[in-house]
This record gives sequence, structure tokens and C-alpha cells, in this order.
Amino acid sequence: DAGITQSPRYKITETGRQVTLMCHQTWSHSYMFWYRQDLGHGLRLIYYSAAADITDKGEVPDGYVVSRSKTENFPLTLESATRSQTSVYFCASTGDGMSMDEQFFGPGTRLTVL
Amino acid sequence: RKEVEQDPGPFNVPEGATVAFNCTYSNSASQSFFWYRQDCRKEPKLLMSVYSSGNEDGRFTAQLNRASQYISLLIRDSKLSDSATYLCVVRSNDYKLSFGAGTTVTVRA
Repeated sequence: DAGITQSPRYKITETGRQVTLMCHQTWSHSYMFWYRQDLGHGLRLIYYSAAADITDKGEVPDGYVVSRSKTENFPLTLESATRSQTSVYFCASTGDGMSMDEQFFGPGTRLTVL
Repeated sequence: RKEVEQDPGPFNVPEGATVAFNCTYSNSASQSFFWYRQDCRKEPKLLMSVYSSGNEDGRFTAQLNRASQYISLLIRDSKLSDSATYLCVVRSNDYKLSFGAGTTVTVRA
């Protein structure tokens, strides 16, 4: 099906473990984003990508790594998970030009770090 | 200072009522403005863009005041299905969006 998907939808892990959250979109959108959402903070940008092999830091990048080897995939890795990274993570994508005004979000991954 | 600030609410209103709320943004260079809707921590979805002259989409009216740097949303004839969190969103001169923390609206029967 067309759209943007995330996996896993729920994840419980322990402090210090490496975790990778997957994001896949079928629209061939150039731009992809990772956000985290915590109560009282709204969505905060972690990393973004303008195209394959082009990534850049957002507002809260520390402790996260991304890659974009293919246009459709944008995985987010927590290298050594900490409790403060417990959050809901949303992946989003958008097209070029005027269409970049609307970002399309995946269903989110709820991550708990114990 | 947060780039986009909103009154978190909640706004509790009866069906049929009118509810209005706004947000402020700090970057005077912001170019585009939006309201997104988010249900029960599901993914946000675009509700409407906000244009300088103000615009309506059915029961929803959005206004922009660039001089005072605030955006408003008004919902007329509220429905139970309007219960959600409304996110104020601004874009500067690149493709990144800045989100407010959201205003929660609960419409009761």
C-alpha cells in the first residue's frame, strides 16, 4: 500500500542497548524527517534528509544516528538508549516545491527505555 | 523561548458551540503557517493552511496576524468529532516545520 510506515509500532528496551526504528515511504518524496513527541514539548525535529545520502541534524540530535541509502527508507538508530529517549517517534515525508508545505506522518513508534 | 507557543487548554465545549484559540510564533521570517490535527497521540495530519487574508474550510476559520505574530483557529458548530489536539505549525524559508505543543479541545454531548 502507498504511504508511510514505521516499524516497530511499540518497543521496550533497556538502557544501553542499540535500537533501530524503521521508516519507509512509497511516494518517492525527497524529504524525510524524524521527530520525537513528549508531553509539553510538541514535536521536536531529531534529524532530516533532503535526499538519499544527504542528512542533517535537527533540534535534538544527540544520541541518535540516521542514514538514507535509499530514497524510500530513513532508519533512526539510538546508539545506546537512555531513559530520556523514552518517547513517541514520528517519521514524516514531504515532496518538493509547493507540495513541501504538507508533511505526511507515519503512525509512530512508542519507545520505552527501562 | 519556544519558536511556537500555544495555550494547551483544554477547551471543553458543548456540541454546537464556537471555540477559538491561537498561537504565537517568534520568528518574524516565518513564511508559511498551518494547523495540524492530532487524535489521541496518533500521527498529526494537516487540517488547513493559514493565509495572510484569512481563510475558511467549512466550520473552520484560520487567521494570521503577521504584525503581532499570531495565528488563530476558530471552530463553529462544534461536533464531537472535533475533539482532538490542534497543533500550530510554522515554516521559515526552508522545508523544516516548527510545531507548537498543541491545544486540546474536547467537545461534549
